[in-house]
Amino acid sequence: EADIYQTPRYLVIGTGKKITLECSQTMGHDKMYWYQQDPGMELHLIHYSYGVNSTEKGDLSSESTVSRIRTEHFPLTLESARPSHTSQYLCASSESVAGGYNEQFFGPGTRLTVL
Amino acid sequence: ILNVEQSPQSLHVQEGDSTNFTCSFPSSNFYALHWYRWETAKSPEALFVMTLNGDEKKKGRISATLNTKEGYSYLYIKGSQPEDSATYLCARNTGNQFYFGTGTSLTVIP
Repeated sequence: EADIYQTPRYLVIGTGKKITLECSQTMGHDKMYWYQQDPGMELHLIHYSYGVNSTEKGDLSSESTVSRIRTEHFPLTLESARPSHTSQYLCASSESVAGGYNEQFFGPGTRLTVL
Repeated sequence: ILNVEQSPQSLHVQEGDSTNFTCSFPSSNFYALHWYRWETAKSPEALFVMTLNGDEKKKGRISATLNTKEGYSYLYIKGSQPEDSATYLCARNTGNQFYFGTGTSLTVIP
């Protein structure tokens, strides 16, 4: 079983609040990812990191920001939440293995509702 | 095909029935194809990684095939059980990023 954790699992918050979604993994994986999934839609990559101090934006534009100060920790922050941010956010991690297929391990997700 | 497409979007089968669903993807720049099983309130769980044209993988009653030339993969479940109820996701791995389909939601009726 993968050791990747996300907190909180569910969050209901008012417009304008600053929120941080936590993601931690204990597998020592270099690569970490954040995906966003709206109901009935695909998982879309919004941020990824290939290691400490490395962060990149994914294909789906997002107003969120991320940081990677420690290998095991990849938090996602929304400075001012809006109803359009209501979605499910999944964190994942994978090893960097030459010739490998970057098998991704997922956390359980955070379901965010902004009122 | 520009994106990863899965069909059907959902299906209901009786316990004991066998079923299959499809994942279609762009055949260019193929690196790997991943299948995940995602139960409600749990993390997506990796089922298979498939890389070679003609690949067939099997895990218990679940198996998958891959055709990279025409850009599709089939997932088969033999003798469906209620515990197979989940959303099955496929993802195209380009080596740098994963592109997911919307999933097939399977409900197995006891």
